[in-house]
Amino acid sequence: RKEVEQDPGPFNVPEGATVAFNCTYSNSASQSFFWYRQDCRKEPKLLMSVYSSGNEDGRFTAQLNRASQYISLLIRDSKLSDSATYLCVVNTRAAGNKLTFGGGTRVLVKP
Amino acid sequence: DADVTQTPRNRITKTGKRIMLECSQTKGHDRMYWYRQDPGLGLRLIYYSFDVKDINKGEISDGYSVSRQAQAKFSLSLESAIPNQTALYFCATSQTGAANQPQHFGDGTRLSIL
Repeated sequence: RKEVEQDPGPFNVPEGATVAFNCTYSNSASQSFFWYRQDCRKEPKLLMSVYSSGNEDGRFTAQLNRASQYISLLIRDSKLSDSATYLCVVNTRAAGNKLTFGGGTRVLVKP
Repeated sequence: DADVTQTPRNRITKTGKRIMLECSQTKGHDRMYWYRQDPGLGLRLIYYSFDVKDINKGEISDGYSVSRQAQAKFSLSLESAIPNQTALYFCATSQTGAANQPQHFGDGTRLSIL
């Protein structure tokens, strides 16, 4: 089983719609969680950290469910520019504070 | 200017050649990392360094070596390149501190081994 698993998609989303997707992680000792965004053939860029109580950044909302070991990302009022691959990233201090990346969820926002 | 700079951006070479990928950063971060990305597999950690005297293997270090020449420089070498090392390679940096420090990536090096 992969340490961090994501539905690869693609999620085809009409412009203006809401899309949500999850990421599951296997190590219960994981401590920090992030969502990164990666555009085609570009470097990953931090979208947002994920906090235990959930957090929002504009149209983006991230949630953490420690009991079920998953995090989620919700995008409201999708824009064409939101089309990208979203990487779920988990930090486990016991593993030397290394980040483990999921394979990414591809989102395509269409007019 | 980019905070994390990788050179070269693209490289095509032949099997058996020695290749060095270079990474430099102006962020003042202590920690540096090398990843490779393959379609469908996400990013996988090759090597990482928490300071100049600290080098650690990641999950896929076989066939690779690294050198941390200075706090700002971390190079990755393929001693004898093979075709399955064809991939997109990323260097990243992060600050020492709490576990929630994110990583900052360079633009990537697209490497093709023929």
